[in-house]
Amino acid sequence: DVKVTQSSRYLVKRTGEKVFLECVQDMDHENMFWYRQDPGLGLRLIYFSYDVKMKEKGDIPEGYSVSREKKERFSLILESASTNQTSMYLCAIRGGPGNTEAFFGQGTRLTVV
Amino acid sequence: AQSVTQPDIHITVSEGASLELRCNYSYGATPYLFWYVQSPGQGLQLLLKYFSGDTLVQGIKGFEAEFKRSQSSFNLRKPSVHWSDAAEYFCAVGSIQGAQKLVFGQGTRLTINP
Repeated sequence: DVKVTQSSRYLVKRTGEKVFLECVQDMDHENMFWYRQDPGLGLRLIYFSYDVKMKEKGDIPEGYSVSREKKERFSLILESASTNQTSMYLCAIRGGPGNTEAFFGQGTRLTVV
Repeated sequence: AQSVTQPDIHITVSEGASLELRCNYSYGATPYLFWYVQSPGQGLQLLLKYFSGDTLVQGIKGFEAEFKRSQSSFNLRKPSVHWSDAAEYFCAVGSIQGAQKLVFGQGTRLTINP
């Protein structure tokens, strides 16, 4: 079974805090993604990484950064959390060409107060 | 840039009725196309996928989808829905070259009337 593990299911943080969301995979897949999910807006891509230390901005990167120092781990960083970043955050992994199904973690429900 | 549009935010059908969820995509070449389902409180599960070949693809739980290049569509269908099909459904388009970016639509929430 594929495992995509997000470090927390629920998180409550204060405005202005630096927040780290961690995602770890056990599939040795090249591609890792961070999405946020909001009602009526679907899944919006924040950042993705296609190799260690390589990243690309998605559709809504503002206010976020990412880190991928090891192939199995992809971190999403909220430099200074704001209330409009309250959301469900989903990590996903996807293999290289020809291995294209994405697998998702269970999500982290982040509340910024 | 790739994008996906799901025109219907919310659909209600009666149990036993047929279902069609619409998905339109934008991509410069033949894309990889997916449908995922998310049941309440659950993670995303792959229903089916299209890469090439037969444009009618079969998935799990009795779902199928048809790729129509001329309409840039990949609509999801089921002949007879069950109460357990109530969920949110997401269409996604994936790159076939370069970085394997995956972009989702806004989702369609399906409600089943008994």
